Amino acid sequence: GDSVTQMEGPVTLSEEAFLTINCTYTATGYPSLFWYVQYPGEGLQLLLKATKADDKGSNKGFEATYRKETTSFHLEKGSVQVSDSAVYFCALDDYKLSFGAGTTVTVRA
Amino acid sequence: NAGVTQTPKFQVLKTGQSMTLQCAQDMNHEYMSWYRQDPGMGLRLIHYSVGAGITDQGEVPNGYNVSRSTTEDFPLRLLSAAPSQTSVYFCASSSRGLSRHTEAFFGQGTRLTVV
Repeated sequence: GDSVTQMEGPVTLSEEAFLTINCTYTATGYPSLFWYVQYPGEGLQLLLKATKADDKGSNKGFEATYRKETTSFHLEKGSVQVSDSAVYFCALDDYKLSFGAGTTVTVRA
Repeated sequence: NAGVTQTPKFQVLKTGQSMTLQCAQDMNHEYMSWYRQDPGMGLRLIHYSVGAGITDQGEVPNGYNVSRSTTEDFPLRLLSAAPSQTSVYFCASSSRGLSRHTEAFFGQGTRLTVV
C-alpha cells in the first residue's frame, strides 16, 4: 500500500539556519504530495503541495519539489525563524491521505 | 469562520465506557475523515466518508464506529474504551470529490485518555 517515510526528529536549529526535512514515498498510482504543519496545541494546516512530477510547492519561505525519479518530496527553508518551531508532516494523496510520522522542529533564538 | 469544529477538546474515560467525539464542518465538504495521532506514528486513518450516508474503514477502524447522516456532521463513537485508544483524535474535511489535489482542513483535536 501507499506509505510515506520522513526523517526522524527532533531537529533543533538556531535562527537563520538552513532546514531540510527528507521525505520519500511509496505509491502504486500518481499521488499528490503535501507538507502539513502543526503548531503547538493546534490541528494540522496545509503548508504547501505539488500535484505532479517536477512541480515545486512553496509557501512562507518553504519549498519542496516533487521528484518522481527518486520518489521524494524534501522540505527546505533557507533561513528559519523561532516561529517555524512546529511538527511537520509529509503526506501523499492517492484517493486516501497518508501521513509520515512527523518531524518536530525547534528553532532557538 | 468556524471551519472544522471538534468537541470536546479533552476527555478522560474509564475502561469500558462509551462516548462520542463530535465533528462538524461548515464548508459543505463531501469528504470527512477521522485520524488518531500517536507519538512516532504520524496520523492514522480510522474511518472516512465520501458523502452523507456513505462511510468506509481506514487503517485502524477496530473499536470505533461512525455514521454520516448529514453533510455537516461526522461523529466518531468509541464503543467500549480501552487504554490503547488513548490518543489525540483529529477530524478533517475536504471538497475533494474525485480530486486528489485539494487541501484537507483539520479540527483542533480531541485529547482522549482512557484509564
